[in-house]
Amino acid sequence: AQKVTQAQTEISVVEKEDVTLDCVYETRDTTYYLFWYKQPPSGELVFLIRRNSFDEQNEISGRYSWNFQKSTSSFNFTITASQVVDSAVYFCALSEAFYGGATNKLIFGTGTLLAVQP
Amino acid sequence: GAVVSQHPSWVICKSGTSVKIECRSLDFQATTMFWYRQFPKQSLMLMATSNEGSKATYEQGVEKDKFLINHASLTLSTLTVTSAHPEDSSFYICSASGRNPGELFFGEGSRLTVL
Repeated sequence: AQKVTQAQTEISVVEKEDVTLDCVYETRDTTYYLFWYKQPPSGELVFLIRRNSFDEQNEISGRYSWNFQKSTSSFNFTITASQVVDSAVYFCALSEAFYGGATNKLIFGTGTLLAVQP
Repeated sequence: GAVVSQHPSWVICKSGTSVKIECRSLDFQATTMFWYRQFPKQSLMLMATSNEGSKATYEQGVEKDKFLINHASLTLSTLTVTSAHPEDSSFYICSASGRNPGELFFGEGSRLTVL
Protein backbone atom coordinates (compact mmCIF):
# COMPACT_ATOMS: atom_id res chain seq x y z
CA ALA A 1 0.00 0.00 0.00
CA GLN A 2 1.08 3.54 -0.62
CA LYS A 3 1.87 5.76 2.32
CA VAL A 4 3.41 9.16 2.94
CA THR A 5 4.88 10.08 6.30
CA GLN A 6 5.63 13.59 7.43
CA ALA A 7 7.00 13.06 10.90
CA GLN A 8 7.22 16.74 11.75
CA THR A 9 3.81 17.97 12.85
CA GLU A 10 4.86 21.52 13.58
CA ILE A 11 8.04 23.49 13.07
CA SER A 12 8.74 26.97 14.34
CA VAL A 13 11.67 29.00 13.09
CA VAL A 14 12.78 32.57 13.19
CA GLU A 15 12.87 34.53 9.97
CA LYS A 16 15.99 34.00 7.85
CA GLU A 17 16.63 30.55 9.27
CA ASP A 18 16.81 27.59 6.92
CA VAL A 19 14.28 24.84 7.49
CA THR A 20 13.90 21.34 6.09
CA LEU A 21 10.60 19.53 5.92
CA ASP A 22 10.91 15.77 5.81
CA CYS A 23 8.88 13.38 3.69
CA VAL A 24 9.21 9.62 3.55
CA TYR A 25 7.07 7.54 1.25
CA GLU A 26 6.20 3.90 0.65
CA THR A 27 5.10 2.40 -2.62
CA ARG A 28 5.50 -0.81 -4.57
CA ASP A 29 5.11 0.98 -7.88
CA THR A 30 8.18 1.56 -10.00
CA THR A 31 6.62 4.57 -11.67
CA TYR A 32 5.17 7.23 -9.46
CA TYR A 33 5.07 10.95 -8.84
CA LEU A 34 5.92 12.93 -5.75
CA PHE A 35 4.51 16.35 -4.96
CA TRP A 36 4.83 19.15 -2.48
CA TYR A 37 1.97 21.56 -1.85
CA LYS A 38 1.66 24.62 0.33
CA GLN A 39 -1.64 25.33 2.04
CA PRO A 40 -1.94 28.83 3.52
CA PRO A 41 -4.73 29.65 5.99
CA SER A 42 -7.07 30.48 3.13
CA GLY A 43 -7.13 26.79 2.26
CA GLU A 44 -6.23 26.59 -1.40
CA LEU A 45 -3.45 24.23 -2.33
CA VAL A 46 -0.46 25.89 -3.93
CA PHE A 47 1.54 23.58 -6.15
CA LEU A 48 5.28 23.68 -5.46
CA ILE A 49 6.86 20.78 -7.28
CA ARG A 50 6.21 17.49 -9.03
CA ARG A 51 8.92 14.90 -9.49
CA ASN A 52 8.65 11.57 -11.27
CA SER A 53 10.31 8.48 -9.91
CA PHE A 54 12.90 8.33 -12.68
CA ASP A 55 14.27 11.77 -12.04
CA GLU A 56 16.42 11.87 -8.94
CA GLN A 57 18.03 15.16 -9.69
CA ASN A 58 17.73 17.64 -6.91
CA GLU A 59 15.95 20.82 -7.78
CA ILE A 60 16.30 24.41 -6.71
CA SER A 61 13.77 27.13 -7.29
CA GLY A 62 14.67 30.39 -5.64
CA ARG A 63 14.72 29.81 -1.90
CA TYR A 64 13.18 26.36 -2.30
CA SER A 65 15.09 23.17 -2.90
CA TRP A 66 14.16 19.52 -2.95
CA ASN A 67 16.24 16.45 -2.25
CA PHE A 68 14.86 13.24 -3.75
CA GLN A 69 16.58 10.02 -2.69
CA LYS A 70 15.04 6.77 -3.85
CA SER A 71 17.48 4.77 -1.74
CA THR A 72 15.85 6.11 1.40
CA SER A 73 12.41 6.78 -0.13
CA SER A 74 12.63 10.39 0.90
CA PHE A 75 11.69 13.63 -0.78
CA ASN A 76 12.71 16.43 1.56
CA PHE A 77 11.98 20.10 1.08
CA THR A 78 14.25 22.90 2.25
CA ILE A 79 13.40 26.58 2.51
CA THR A 80 16.43 28.80 2.68
CA ALA A 81 16.28 32.12 4.51
CA SER A 82 12.70 31.57 5.57
CA GLN A 83 10.22 34.43 5.56
CA VAL A 84 7.02 35.08 7.45
CA VAL A 85 5.07 34.53 4.22
CA ASP A 86 6.33 30.96 4.19
CA SER A 87 4.12 30.21 7.19
CA ALA A 88 1.65 27.57 6.08
CA VAL A 89 0.94 23.87 6.17
CA TYR A 90 3.06 21.92 3.72
CA PHE A 91 1.93 18.60 2.31
CA CYS A 92 3.97 15.95 0.62
CA ALA A 93 1.99 13.62 -1.64
CA LEU A 94 2.47 10.49 -3.71
CA SER A 95 0.72 9.31 -6.83
CA GLU A 96 1.06 6.21 -8.90
CA ALA A 97 1.08 6.77 -12.63
CA PHE A 98 -1.45 5.45 -15.05
CA TYR A 99 -0.16 3.85 -18.20
CA GLY A 100 0.79 6.79 -20.37
CA GLY A 101 1.86 8.88 -17.41
CA ALA A 102 -1.44 10.44 -16.38
CA THR A 103 -1.66 11.24 -12.72
CA ASN A 104 -3.74 9.09 -10.46
CA LYS A 105 -5.17 9.94 -7.08
CA LEU A 106 -2.85 11.49 -4.51
CA ILE A 107 -1.97 10.04 -1.17
CA PHE A 108 -1.16 12.93 1.14
CA GLY A 109 1.04 13.02 4.17
CA THR A 110 -0.35 14.48 7.36
CA GLY A 111 1.26 17.82 6.69
CA THR A 112 3.78 19.97 8.52
CA LEU A 113 2.71 23.29 9.97
CA LEU A 114 5.53 25.76 9.50
CA ALA A 115 5.47 28.92 11.56
CA VAL A 116 8.05 31.53 10.71
CA GLN A 117 8.41 34.13 13.43
CA PRO A 118 9.55 37.65 12.57
CA GLY B 1 -5.06 31.82 -13.72
CA ALA B 2 -6.92 28.91 -12.21
CA VAL B 3 -7.47 25.97 -14.48
CA VAL B 4 -9.84 24.19 -12.11
CA SER B 5 -12.58 26.20 -10.50
CA GLN B 6 -14.81 25.23 -7.62
CA HIS B 7 -18.10 26.77 -6.65
CA PRO B 8 -19.20 27.79 -4.13
CA SER B 9 -16.12 28.74 -2.14
CA TRP B 10 -18.05 28.49 1.07
CA VAL B 11 -21.54 27.49 2.01
CA ILE B 12 -23.54 27.39 5.20
CA CYS B 13 -26.62 25.23 5.34
CA LYS B 14 -29.08 23.81 7.81
CA SER B 15 -28.91 20.25 8.92
CA GLY B 16 -30.94 17.98 6.68
CA THR B 17 -30.53 19.99 3.50
CA SER B 18 -28.48 19.00 0.46
CA VAL B 19 -25.58 20.98 -0.92
CA LYS B 20 -24.05 20.78 -4.38
CA ILE B 21 -20.45 21.69 -5.09
CA GLU B 22 -19.23 22.13 -8.65
CA CYS B 23 -15.78 21.49 -10.00
CA ARG B 24 -14.97 22.76 -13.48
CA SER B 25 -11.91 22.39 -15.64
CA LEU B 26 -11.61 25.71 -17.40
CA ASP B 27 -9.49 25.16 -20.46
CA PHE B 28 -9.03 21.45 -20.78
CA GLN B 29 -11.08 18.30 -20.75
CA ALA B 30 -10.83 16.31 -17.57
CA THR B 31 -11.75 12.69 -18.05
CA THR B 32 -10.95 12.01 -14.42
CA MET B 33 -11.53 14.22 -11.42
CA PHE B 34 -10.94 13.52 -7.77
CA TRP B 35 -12.77 14.69 -4.67
CA TYR B 36 -10.97 15.16 -1.37
CA ARG B 37 -12.17 16.10 2.09
CA GLN B 38 -10.14 17.87 4.72
CA PHE B 39 -11.22 18.22 8.33
CA PRO B 40 -9.71 21.07 10.36
CA LYS B 41 -6.02 20.62 11.01
CA GLN B 42 -5.98 17.31 9.22
CA SER B 43 -4.72 16.01 5.92
CA LEU B 44 -6.63 15.64 2.69
CA MET B 45 -8.37 12.34 2.26
CA LEU B 46 -9.54 11.06 -1.08
CA MET B 47 -13.27 10.49 -1.15
CA ALA B 48 -13.85 9.33 -4.69
CA THR B 49 -12.62 9.24 -8.24
CA SER B 50 -15.02 10.72 -10.73
CA ASN B 51 -14.95 9.44 -14.29
CA GLU B 52 -16.78 11.17 -17.09
CA GLY B 53 -19.76 9.17 -18.24
CA SER B 54 -19.52 6.46 -15.62
CA LYS B 55 -20.12 5.88 -11.95
CA ALA B 56 -17.70 7.29 -9.45
CA THR B 57 -15.35 5.03 -7.54
CA TYR B 58 -15.58 5.63 -3.82
CA GLU B 59 -12.87 5.06 -1.27
CA GLN B 60 -13.53 2.68 1.56
CA GLY B 61 -15.67 4.20 4.26
CA VAL B 62 -17.20 6.90 2.06
CA GLU B 63 -20.98 6.61 1.74
CA LYS B 64 -21.86 6.82 -1.93
CA ASP B 65 -25.51 7.54 -1.17
CA LYS B 66 -24.54 10.47 0.99
CA PHE B 67 -21.92 11.94 -1.29
CA LEU B 68 -23.35 11.85 -4.78
CA ILE B 69 -20.88 12.47 -7.56
CA ASN B 70 -21.88 13.25 -11.11
CA HIS B 71 -19.37 13.72 -13.92
CA ALA B 72 -21.73 14.41 -16.77
CA SER B 73 -19.31 16.26 -19.02
CA LEU B 74 -15.60 16.48 -19.62
CA THR B 75 -15.40 19.80 -17.84
CA LEU B 76 -17.75 19.42 -14.90
CA SER B 77 -17.99 17.16 -11.89
CA THR B 78 -20.39 17.79 -9.04
CA LEU B 79 -20.43 16.59 -5.47
CA THR B 80 -23.76 16.65 -3.68
CA VAL B 81 -23.79 16.21 0.07
CA THR B 82 -27.24 14.85 0.76
CA SER B 83 -29.07 15.38 4.04
CA ALA B 84 -26.07 17.18 5.44
CA HIS B 85 -25.28 16.99 9.13
CA PRO B 86 -22.84 18.97 11.26
CA GLU B 87 -20.29 16.18 11.03
CA ASP B 88 -20.19 16.74 7.27
CA SER B 89 -18.77 20.21 7.85
CA SER B 90 -15.43 20.15 6.12
CA PHE B 91 -13.28 21.56 3.35
CA TYR B 92 -13.94 19.80 0.06
CA ILE B 93 -11.38 20.05 -2.75
CA CYS B 94 -11.50 18.68 -6.24
CA SER B 95 -8.66 18.00 -8.63
CA ALA B 96 -8.32 17.05 -12.26
CA SER B 97 -5.61 15.33 -14.23
CA GLY B 98 -4.06 17.59 -16.85
CA ARG B 99 -3.03 16.89 -20.41
CA ASN B 100 0.64 16.29 -19.67
CA PRO B 101 2.07 13.39 -17.67
CA GLY B 102 2.04 14.13 -13.97
CA GLU B 103 -0.07 17.26 -14.24
CA LEU B 104 -2.71 17.63 -11.59
CA PHE B 105 -4.74 20.75 -10.88
CA PHE B 106 -6.66 21.53 -7.73
CA GLY B 107 -9.69 23.71 -7.30
CA GLU B 108 -9.79 26.44 -4.71
CA GLY B 109 -11.79 24.33 -2.32
CA SER B 110 -15.27 24.66 -0.85
CA ARG B 111 -15.81 25.13 2.84
CA LEU B 112 -19.05 23.59 4.03
CA THR B 113 -20.56 24.44 7.40
CA VAL B 114 -23.67 22.58 8.46
CA LEU B 115 -25.58 24.14 11.31
